[in-house]
Amino acid sequence: DAGVIQSPRHEVTEMGQEVTLRCKPISGHDYLFWYRQTMMRGLELLIYFNNNVPIDDSGMPEDRFSAKMPNASFSTLKIQPSEPRDSAVYFCASSAGLASSEQFFGPGTRLTVL
Amino acid sequence: SQKIEQNSEALNIQEGKTATLTCNYTNYSPAYLQWYRQDPGRGPVFLLLIRENEKEKRKERLKVTFDTTLKQSLFHITASQPADSATYLCAPGEYGNKLVFGAGTILRVKS
Repeated sequence: DAGVIQSPRHEVTEMGQEVTLRCKPISGHDYLFWYRQTMMRGLELLIYFNNNVPIDDSGMPEDRFSAKMPNASFSTLKIQPSEPRDSAVYFCASSAGLASSEQFFGPGTRLTVL
Repeated sequence: SQKIEQNSEALNIQEGKTATLTCNYTNYSPAYLQWYRQDPGRGPVFLLLIRENEKEKRKERLKVTFDTTLKQSLFHITASQPADSATYLCAPGEYGNKLVFGAGTILRVKS
């Protein structure tokens, strides 16, 4: 398996634009996680899915953020409209379970909102 | 609220020495605790998982301890090498629940 795949690797956009980040988890993993990492706040969990169903979205900062998982091999994180404070590295991770299982992280998407 | 604390200052050590990183937690009763390594520009990579009923876990030059009374985990790298330089994240998790990541400790090993 190629591991968790994320695209794009880098995204530069202007304030107000829509941004869509994409993730392909490892085949067979039941859990998918979206994280955001900044120097100030560290690695924060935004939302996680179990068997394509959103379970906990308490980390989603506001209504501008939305995430979907239409099937077991694809998930998106959308920001609309984007703001400069959304600039961060966004990671997708997948695992076979929750706290008892290791998570496999993708390479991340570095988002810059001007 | 749940709080996870790791050494906020970077840890600088000499090659060959043992590095010890600390992870403390409060208002939390994790059944598992994981440690990850993160290199600049990359995603975290899993290193070790220890369960609440395990006092110690080893993997090659790595050793993790888990003291549920002190609410603390220690992560040791013996015979450290410059290639061990990275940020190390601890992530406790309660049974059936998600992981919560600490802010990480930067380790620098000098030759």
